[in-house]
Amino acid sequence: SQTIHQWPATLVQPVGSPLSLECTVEGTSNPNLYWYRQAAGRGLQLLFYSVGIGQISSEVPQNLSASRPQDRQFILSSKKLLLSDSGFYLCAGLYPFTGELFFGEGSRLTVL
Amino acid sequence: SQKIEQNSEALNIQEGKTATLTCNYTNYSPAYLQWYRQDPGRGPVFLLLIRENEKEKRKERLKVTFDTTLKQSLFHITASQPADSATYLCALVRNFNKFYFGSGTKLNVKP
Repeated sequence: SQTIHQWPATLVQPVGSPLSLECTVEGTSNPNLYWYRQAAGRGLQLLFYSVGIGQISSEVPQNLSASRPQDRQFILSSKKLLLSDSGFYLCAGLYPFTGELFFGEGSRLTVL
Repeated sequence: SQKIEQNSEALNIQEGKTATLTCNYTNYSPAYLQWYRQDPGRGPVFLLLIRENEKEKRKERLKVTFDTTLKQSLFHITASQPADSATYLCALVRNFNKFYFGSGTKLNVKP
């Protein structure tokens, strides 16, 4: 079965510091991968998605960037964090046979 | 832009009753619609998928309907249990690879 691993699970960072969140996938090859952000009590906002190595589509202009250096690796980055970047970040993969998304356990980011 | 609306107020029901959650959307019809369950501090878990040419889908105690004219999906949990308490998210799928989520409805099932 497909599994998404995310780390770190929790992160507290000062404003202006860089960010790197990592996501790896097991159990499937060449999946579509997604980064979502969830603010407290809110829904999931689609940030980036990728259909393959080096292919990134951005949904919302923001302070973040994404990269896919390997088939099963998806990285979310920022050069300088803002307070508004705080939230719960979720990586997801698409299981093509069923059309469902399977999610990682999330990374909770607090920017102070 | 796509707008997906779910009731932001929590739904409180008694154990054994049927819970009905609503998802309304605007602007365009998706290829298909999905429902997910999310527990606090966890990632969402897929429950059901319904395509635009399907009116109803069932899985055990779960039932989803999809009305493309009303631009609405209803999600039902019959014989609800306290373990069903969670936040339920609907997701619209565009172009078969873009997933847009509503803000979710929190369900509380009381024993």
